[in-house]
Amino acid sequence: IAGITQAPTSQILAAGRRMTLRCTQDMRHNAMYWYRQDLGLGLRLIHYSNTAGTTGKGEVPDGYSVSRANTDDFPLTLASAVPSQTSVYFCASSEGPDTGELFFGEGSRLTVL
Amino acid sequence: GQNIDQPTEMTATEGAIVQINCTYQTSGFNGLFWYQQHAGEAPTFLSYNVLDGLEEKGRFSSFLSRSKGYSYLLLKELQMKDSASYLCAVRDGSYQLIWGAGTKLIIKP
Repeated sequence: IAGITQAPTSQILAAGRRMTLRCTQDMRHNAMYWYRQDLGLGLRLIHYSNTAGTTGKGEVPDGYSVSRANTDDFPLTLASAVPSQTSVYFCASSEGPDTGELFFGEGSRLTVL
Repeated sequence: GQNIDQPTEMTATEGAIVQINCTYQTSGFNGLFWYQQHAGEAPTFLSYNVLDGLEEKGRFSSFLSRSKGYSYLLLKELQMKDSASYLCAVRDGSYQLIWGAGTKLIIKP
């Protein structure tokens, strides 16, 4: 089934540890995004990529990094996790940065203790 | 700054009609989206408006007034499965998506 796959679906992590959330899409979409969703707040953009080989910072990029080596994969790395990074993380993609709706992965629930 | 406002929570009765409003203030406008998100799940696309007027899709309709910075999502013949959060998002002049905090819709029998 075409779509976006995220892994892991859930993770508990000690503060200070490094963590990579994986995201893969098979729709050949050019644009990909990482959002975090916290209770009472809207989706907040962490990083985005308009096309393979390029990335950009969103609204809340501090403490996170991304790479886009190819069209399909867009991993998100927390270099040294902190409790404020406890959240639900959604990866999404769209045909282009200015076209089409976003398709979301199922989310990764991360708890940093 | 850019801002999107929607009610935090609404309650409606099964079989009834409900209207969820969204007002926005953004730097430019390139379309407005509505998404549905069930608890613990990913948001899923419902509708897209870029021109003024009403877009109908089955039991769901979405309306846009660009001059007023206003949209609404209309849900008819409500079903229990419509209990979810409804997210309004605007694509601004730079094609960035600005998201509202979402409206939690509770359907009662």
